[in-house]
Amino acid sequence: KAGVTQTPRYLIKTRGQQVTLSCSPISGHRSVSWYQQTPGQGLQFLFEYFSETQRNKGNFPGRFSGRQFSNSRSEMNVSTLELGDSALYLCASSLGPGQGAHEQYFGPGTRLTVT
Amino acid sequence: AQSVTQLGSHVSVSEGALVLLRCNYSSSVPPYLFWYVQYPNQGLQLLLKYTTGATLVKGINGFEAEFKKSETSFHLTKPSAHMSDAAEYFCAVSVYSGNTPLVFGKGTRLSVIA
Repeated sequence: KAGVTQTPRYLIKTRGQQVTLSCSPISGHRSVSWYQQTPGQGLQFLFEYFSETQRNKGNFPGRFSGRQFSNSRSEMNVSTLELGDSALYLCASSLGPGQGAHEQYFGPGTRLTVT
Repeated sequence: AQSVTQLGSHVSVSEGALVLLRCNYSSSVPPYLFWYVQYPNQGLQLLLKYTTGATLVKGINGFEAEFKKSETSFHLTKPSAHMSDAAEYFCAVSVYSGNTPLVFGKGTRLSVIA
């Protein structure tokens, strides 16, 4: 069974631009969560989607948004990029609420660099 | 709310020595506890998990962890370190509310010296 895939793996953007990251969960998994990883703040939860609905959201500004499609694939978007948005963005998938939602499987991440 | 504290941002051991990575958690309800490992330029891989039942949990690559409720701890151990164990290790906590994300510790970088 294929694991979680994330595209692209690396991105370089300029301040003020926007970016879209993509995540394909493990087949059969319907929940997708996004995390931001930085050396200073560690792993921080961004949001979680299940059945195309955002179920939970972390403490990030509105520039960070996401969505989930009917096939469970998810995208996250960051608008008006800032230098501080440089990070590794990790996507994790799980079966869904009440079905081992806490057992998450992570993708390799997208390394975003903002210059 | 849940929280995790990992004692020691960097641990160094000799090859063949015992590995002990410390994790303490805070949770107002029974927790689910996890250890993840991250190799350079990769995502997180689940090493082991505690949900309910046996408090000594065995995971992949020879790692194990023991849930001690009285000490609110979930330390990760491995009897004999291997060079390939060098990586970043993260402890995480969640609860079975169906709507609570994983909360991670800051991570512990393990170095293995030949």
